[in-house]
Amino acid sequence: AQKVTQAQTEISVVEKEDVTLDCVYETRDTTYYLFWYKQPPSGELVFLIRRNSFDEQNEISGRYSWNFQKSTSSFNFTITASQVVDSAVYFCALSDLYTGTASKLTFGTGTRLQVTL
Amino acid sequence: DAGVIQSPRHEVTEMGQEVTLRCKPISGHNSLFWYRQTMMRGLELLIYFNNNVPIDDSGMPEDRFSAKMPNASFSTLKIQPSEPRDSAVYFCASSPPGAGNTIYFGEGSWLTVV
Repeated sequence: AQKVTQAQTEISVVEKEDVTLDCVYETRDTTYYLFWYKQPPSGELVFLIRRNSFDEQNEISGRYSWNFQKSTSSFNFTITASQVVDSAVYFCALSDLYTGTASKLTFGTGTRLQVTL
Repeated sequence: DAGVIQSPRHEVTEMGQEVTLRCKPISGHNSLFWYRQTMMRGLELLIYFNNNVPIDDSGMPEDRFSAKMPNASFSTLKIQPSEPRDSAVYFCASSPPGAGNTIYFGEGSWLTVV
């Protein structure tokens, strides 16, 4: 069975600090996808990134970066120079590799990030 | 472009009443998912459809829950009879062909059963 663990329940930082959200996963599959979603206080879930297990290159998008390490089954998310607008709950998720029709995502329990002035 | 549209956004109902939640997926998407979010259980998949066909309903809590997808642009999740423990946010999400399992969520339906 697939499992995603986000050990950090809540993190508080001061604006402009860097913060890393941890994600550890378990799967018996050799190929799979990993995701991060953001849930701001308004409640909707916003897709941030998808990474397939073939590609261990780190990815950077503006202040966001993701570090995928297959050897440690981790897919960590770093926000550089955090801002108040980054305050949200962040979910890591895992799915089977896409085979032509979608399959389900298994979500972690989320990490609540609070960024203060 | 319009996202996933869910209705109602908020509903308060009395225990024992029937509740119907509605979802319109993004046009062109061929997979549809119903998730439930609670403080205790987090985000859990209830059921998902591919090309209007239910693929996995193992997450549906019990017989009081049912879901249908009569066509590519509409799905319902029904709870009958409702119970206070059904209080949660119910999210509908959809995914297009070739998206590598990326799903796009609606804004959720906030259900309170009193």
